[in-house]
Amino acid sequence: KAGVTQTPRYLIKTRGQQVTLSCSPISGHRSVSWYQQTPGQGLQFLFEYFSETQRNKGNFPGRFSGRQFSNSRSEMNVSTLELGDSALYLCASSLSMGYYGYTFGSGTRLTVV
Amino acid sequence: AQSVTQLGSHVSVSEGALVLLRCNYSSSVPPYLFWYVQYPNQGLQLLLKYTTGATLVKGINGFEAEFKKSETSFHLTKPSAHMSDAAEYFCAVSVGGGADGLTFGKGTHLIIQP
Repeated sequence: KAGVTQTPRYLIKTRGQQVTLSCSPISGHRSVSWYQQTPGQGLQFLFEYFSETQRNKGNFPGRFSGRQFSNSRSEMNVSTLELGDSALYLCASSLSMGYYGYTFGSGTRLTVV
Repeated sequence: AQSVTQLGSHVSVSEGALVLLRCNYSSSVPPYLFWYVQYPNQGLQLLLKYTTGATLVKGINGFEAEFKKSETSFHLTKPSAHMSDAAEYFCAVSVGGGADGLTFGKGTHLIIQP
């Protein structure tokens, strides 16, 4: 059974650019969540999608957005990149929202220069 | 809002010794609790979770944790440490149907001395 797949693994972007990250959940999982991991702030919740709808959102500016497709695959977009957006972005999938436990992907390491 | 505190950013134990990683949470409603492990350049792997029922939870790789409501704690233990246990460990809490996603502690780096 394939795990959660995130692409690309590594990305270097210039300040002011935008970036799109992709996440393919485990087959049958309908919930996809995104997290940002930095040395200073640790792991922070970005948003969660279920059935193509954003259900929950963390405390991040509107430059961070996402979407989920009918096959449960999800994309995350960050516009007008800032140096502080450099982080490991983790995607997690679950059968449903809430308490089932989440399976995480290996992440996308974004570096903004 | 809920929060998680992990005592000790670094914990060092000898191979074969008891591993104890501490986690305390703050929540106004019954929480669901998780422990995750992260190896270098990898994502998070679920070790165990507490939702309802038995307060002593057994997970993978010989780890277990006990939910103590009176102490608002969910400490992670393993009787005998292996070199392969060296990693970053995160405690997390989810409440209210996951409205705020998982709230993570800052993590504890476990070092295993030979």
